Amino acid sequence: GENVEQHPSTLSVQEGDSAVIKCTYSDSASNYFPWYKQELGKRPQLIIDIRSNVGEKKDQRIAVTLNKTAKHFSLHITETQPEDSAVYFCAVPRAGTASKLTFGTGTRLQVTL
Amino acid sequence: DAGVIQSPRHEVTEMGQEVTLRCKPISGHNSLFWYRQTMMRGLELLIYFNNNVPIDDSGMPEDRFSAKMPNASFSTLKIQPSEPRDSAVYFCASTQLATVEAGTEAFFGQGTRLTVV
Repeated sequence: GENVEQHPSTLSVQEGDSAVIKCTYSDSASNYFPWYKQELGKRPQLIIDIRSNVGEKKDQRIAVTLNKTAKHFSLHITETQPEDSAVYFCAVPRAGTASKLTFGTGTRLQVTL
Repeated sequence: DAGVIQSPRHEVTEMGQEVTLRCKPISGHNSLFWYRQTMMRGLELLIYFNNNVPIDDSGMPEDRFSAKMPNASFSTLKIQPSEPRDSAVYFCASTQLATVEAGTEAFFGQGTRLTVV
């Protein structure tokens, strides 16, 4: 099955700084790479995704970059704010189905004032 | 649509009792997933269905766990008998079927926090 590694497991940044979370995967056939955000006590929700035909995608303060050759993709959050504090999960679909996602182990981001 | 609906939100039960968790997926979604979330193991996929048919239950921890999807709008996850190590948050999620190239967003329910004492 798909192997997904996510780093770091915890990340603390000061408000206004940038945060970067990285995921590596094993299945070279994967073509879809989403990131989910889970606030404390709430459900995971999709915040951004990228498909393999592009190398980077931005949505306001968040961006995702993809390196298919190296099989890794990263979440970038700029100008971090306290409301960015949450657990972030990368996910990769298992081979043969885009619906069946394998999630990374999660990164707990803490934005301090 | 109200999104994916799970019930109950919280469940406290005694070891050995049967527990049934319920899920109503988003109307029109063809795939349904049951996940378990713990601090130690993160988000684990237990089982998923396509068009009400179980496709992969390799994540189900043991025979005490079973899941059904009798129709497109309802699924259950049952634990019998329950044990303290089953304590976790159980999420149900649904998606539209998609091609490998397309990818698709998974919509999660609010989760059921299960505590087995």
